[in-house]
Amino acid sequence: GAVVSQHPSRVICKSGTSVKIECRSLDFQATTMFWYRQFPKQSLMLMATSNEGSKATYEQGVEKDKFLINHASLTLSTLTVTSAHPEDSSFYICSARDGGGNREKLFFGSGTQLSVL
Amino acid sequence: AQSVTQLDSQVPVFEEAPVELRCNYSSSVSVYLFWYVQYPNQGLQLLLKYLSGSTLVKGINGFEAEFNKSQTSFHLRKPSVHISDTAEYFCAVQGGSEKLVFGKGTKLTVNP
Repeated sequence: GAVVSQHPSRVICKSGTSVKIECRSLDFQATTMFWYRQFPKQSLMLMATSNEGSKATYEQGVEKDKFLINHASLTLSTLTVTSAHPEDSSFYICSARDGGGNREKLFFGSGTQLSVL
Repeated sequence: AQSVTQLDSQVPVFEEAPVELRCNYSSSVSVYLFWYVQYPNQGLQLLLKYLSGSTLVKGINGFEAEFNKSQTSFHLRKPSVHISDTAEYFCAVQGGSEKLVFGKGTKLTVNP
């Protein structure tokens, strides 16, 4: 089946630094990718939708200058948490929609646990 | 807007026992409904989905779910669980757009 690779799986960084998370579709072209955030014991919350070659669409309350999303190719989207602070510590997970026949399926990465000290 | 409520945050069961994980949703439009499973250190994997048609949906690994429109529920069931079913299960709803709204998840622990 379709595979989405997310890297890194875990990252610890100092407050004020920036962290980049990559999401790759390995065997299909993903015209649309989604970025979610999950706090402990909470739902996955959609942060933004990224479409290849265009600007991402952010959900209400998500700072676009804080969470930079780039979807430069049909197989890669990146999320950069800029000037990270402890409150940004969370589990981030991406998903990709197959632009081919699997329109009804979203494929998820394995997630990134971000800890900001 | 849509919302999803998973009524149980944790469900412990013994191996070979039946299990039901509950999910209720709210929406002002017709919805698609999904159940995803997340095994430790892995991404979300689609278990099953309801798009239209028969309200009883069968998925992978012996799971099934029934869409009940009047009760706005989409409970997940398995008649006999295995140790390997230990995981976190997420119910999700998709309304008029392609955005998924997730519940908080139910952690299923199958004990020997």
